[in-house]
Amino acid sequence: QQPVQSPQAVILREGEDAVINCSSSKALYSVHWYRQKHGEAPVFLMILLKGGEQKGHEKISASFNEKKQQSSLYLTASQLSYSGTYFCGGPQTGANNLFFGTGTRLTVIP
Amino acid sequence: DTGVSQDPRHKITKRGQNVTFRCDPISEHNRLYWYRQTLGQGPEFLTYFQNEAQLEKSRLLSDRFSAERPKGSFSTLEIQRTEQGDSAMYLCASSSTGPYGYTFGSGTRLTVV
Repeated sequence: QQPVQSPQAVILREGEDAVINCSSSKALYSVHWYRQKHGEAPVFLMILLKGGEQKGHEKISASFNEKKQQSSLYLTASQLSYSGTYFCGGPQTGANNLFFGTGTRLTVIP
Repeated sequence: DTGVSQDPRHKITKRGQNVTFRCDPISEHNRLYWYRQTLGQGPEFLTYFQNEAQLEKSRLLSDRFSAERPKGSFSTLEIQRTEQGDSAMYLCASSSTGPYGYTFGSGTRLTVV
């Protein structure tokens, strides 16, 4: 069963912040985050390996609560280039392949 | 390295025909994955190789789907007797062993008419 993301879609003005949540009903051993622009392949953003780990990537950061099987992606001071669909993904029950979430469509407007 | 390459970019086929897609991963990557994506959905796992060994295959994958990775280099995904429900973007990705992110190819868009 795939991880569930919320919100499904969000519209931001440039400079605003957003949080995207990812929740799994099965144990997550790590969490990946990807961004996919329309008509393009998903692009890897970051991976979180341990519960409680937080990582940053310029103005995009993420946290991982292993006990709650949840992860959140934080986008601060959004830019037009942040527009796209964001997917979380994680291996389940020791599998090496990722199960991707339902996706969050982010639109940043001027 | 030029990244992950997929060929063809687009394929239109008649229902019942067989199709084959090719993926060339990043040369240093020993893991290769195939995913399927339909409009508005996240990538759905199909199968995974480590070197030439096919280690995992989705239980949702019909027997009409088969994949190979001879010599642990490029991979092919074949769909036999295509159905309209097979219409989707087929994505290939590769990674190194360990906790590393995937590099995706641009995909092959299949349309079954």
